Amino acid sequence: EPEVTQTPSHQVTQMGQEVILRCVPISNHLYFYWYRQILGQKVEFLVSFYNNEISEKSEIFDDQFSVERPDGSNFTLKIRSTKLEDSAMYFCASTRLAGLTNEKLFFGSGTQLSVL
Amino acid sequence: QKEVEQNSGPLSVPEGAIASLNCTYSDRGSQSFFWYRQYSGKSPELIMFIYSNGDKEDGRFTAQLNKASQYVSLLIRDSQPSDSATYLCAGGAGSYQLTFGKGTKLSVIP
Repeated sequence: EPEVTQTPSHQVTQMGQEVILRCVPISNHLYFYWYRQILGQKVEFLVSFYNNEISEKSEIFDDQFSVERPDGSNFTLKIRSTKLEDSAMYFCASTRLAGLTNEKLFFGSGTQLSVL
Repeated sequence: QKEVEQNSGPLSVPEGAIASLNCTYSDRGSQSFFWYRQYSGKSPELIMFIYSNGDKEDGRFTAQLNKASQYVSLLIRDSQPSDSATYLCAGGAGSYQLTFGKGTKLSVIP
């Protein structure tokens, strides 16, 4: 089964530092997503991305966050100035289509971000 | 405010029994519902999705949706110890901007 690949698996950073989380979506997928899960909490939607633009974003996705598809394979989430409360597992996901269909939302294995 | 509510558990069932997991949602605009299994420290793995009222079966799993009652459930028949995990219910209203519940922890006792 195809996989969404995320790197690094763990990232430790100091508060106020910038971090970039990287994802390689499934090759024929066109829609990309970031979700996060704070330890012991719900999985939360952050942003969806299509055709080099943000399609939807949640209230969590404020000006400190940005996404980019810098080339044909990578999809990145940047946090400009990390806060302690940004510590979470960040999941990348991708789909071929935008609307809810029979296809699966493939999640990557996640990046555990720890802000000290 | 879109909410998906689940009993956090833990729900303990003996091996071979039926596990019944429930979920309610607040957004009547939600069209499709997903059950994910999540092992500790791992990413969510899709088990079932359902978008029509009624039952949908896939192997040992049956998802049930009642839109009038805003209720979704997942039945796991012949539960195995490997089914022990947290089960996440999620709903979507036309896109993959999904709203997740906090999850129900299932423990299958050998």
